[in-house]
Amino acid sequence: DIQMTQSPSSVSASVGDRVTMTCRASQGISSWLAWYQQKPGKAPKLLIYGASNLQSGVPSRFSGSGSGTDYTLTIRRLQPEDFATYYCQQANSFPPTFGGGTKVEIK
Amino acid sequence: EVQLVESGGGLVQPGGSLRLSCAVSEFTFSDHYMDWVRQAPGKGLEWVGRTRNKAHSYTTEYAASVKGRFTISRDDSKNSLHLQMNSLKSEDTAVYYCARVGAADAFDIWGQGTMVTVSS
Repeated sequence: DIQMTQSPSSVSASVGDRVTMTCRASQGISSWLAWYQQKPGKAPKLLIYGASNLQSGVPSRFSGSGSGTDYTLTIRRLQPEDFATYYCQQANSFPPTFGGGTKVEIK
Repeated sequence: EVQLVESGGGLVQPGGSLRLSCAVSEFTFSDHYMDWVRQAPGKGLEWVGRTRNKAHSYTTEYAASVKGRFTISRDDSKNSLHLQMNSLKSEDTAVYYCARVGAADAFDIWGQGTMVTVSS
């Protein structure tokens, strides 16, 4: 199975900050990568698919990049509603696997 | 509004069985692959399994941790998805989500989740 490692596990930030988190795959996944946002008690919400494609309805302050084994999710100008846990997921090969998550907390 | 609604969760003893359902509305269910994903309390997300669509012969895939115990089925005529869980273990305790597979095999629509607790 492909292992997905997210870093950092948590980050403290303020409203208006730029936040960057990374996801590393144990082998190349050819941009078959998605990012999700999850708030407590809620289902995950798709933000980015195919490493850099913004899901319909997701604010443009979210962006994804990367290739090969290394991928990044960036949130420009953090908003109060962005405090949540973010997960990456590879869809290159079965089984689909998720990273352990990055929790964005209020500084 | 595109919607997935899970049901069927609850408390079950180890070794028992439970059947989860996922009702789908406002999209062409038969066109899509559908997956189950679970989340143990306080933990991350774990993929459980997939059913493909009719065009791909309704083939299924399972995580190693549930293979041989869980079975995914679908009824396109009723826009419904099911997860039959047998020989349940304490480590199966989790919120179970159904999810639609969209572009680039990402999960673009999720249900609200249903809690399964395996305990004596």
